[in-house]
Amino acid sequence: NAGVTQTPKFRILKIGQSMTLQCTQDMNHNYMYWYRQDPGMGLKLIYYSVGAGITDKGEVPNGYNVSRSTTEDFPLRLELAAPSQTSVYFCASSVGTASNQPQHFGDGTRLSIL
Amino acid sequence: LAKTTQPISMDSYEGQEVNITCSHNNIATNDYITWYQQFPSQGPRFIIQGYKTKVTNEVASLFIPADRKSSTLSLPRVSLSDTAVYYCLVGDFSAGGGNKLTFGTGTQLKVEL
Repeated sequence: NAGVTQTPKFRILKIGQSMTLQCTQDMNHNYMYWYRQDPGMGLKLIYYSVGAGITDKGEVPNGYNVSRSTTEDFPLRLELAAPSQTSVYFCASSVGTASNQPQHFGDGTRLSIL
Repeated sequence: LAKTTQPISMDSYEGQEVNITCSHNNIATNDYITWYQQFPSQGPRFIIQGYKTKVTNEVASLFIPADRKSSTLSLPRVSLSDTAVYYCLVGDFSAGGGNKLTFGTGTQLKVEL
């Protein structure tokens, strides 16, 4: 099992450009999450999904969009990149609610907006 | 939304027991307490989870007092490889409930020889 795989690992964008961060998991987990982590800070939840076709906002959703067409994939879309979106992005999944099930994290995508 | 407070940093030596305490004064009835470990350039990794009293697994113990307003992660006999950031996560994450997960800023543990 590969677990949670994120691509790309690094990316530099210009202000106003768009891109999609990919996340896929091979554990058949229902729950998937996107977080961002700014330098020296904890993780903040952007969006989450409790199953295919179902998504909801987290703490910091502005400037991002998600979709969940399959159980395995949960891409994160940045439409108009802004310098404030420079961060490390982590995707995670869990078999059930993160309340009482561990989250499995990918290794992150490091994104710089210049 | 439960807010967590942890020490910013801790120092220890190899072979010692390390206890990291997390304060979560407004924890809700349904909230669980989860601890994660994060190494540089990696995603967080699950360590342990509990609701009340004491939980132990092969790598750590979690102590939760009766009022559940705090919790303590105990790492027995740490080694250099335990140098990492440790996060306490408190939340009741249910579908349709929005974001009820709170990662704090974490505790940077440094283990020396």
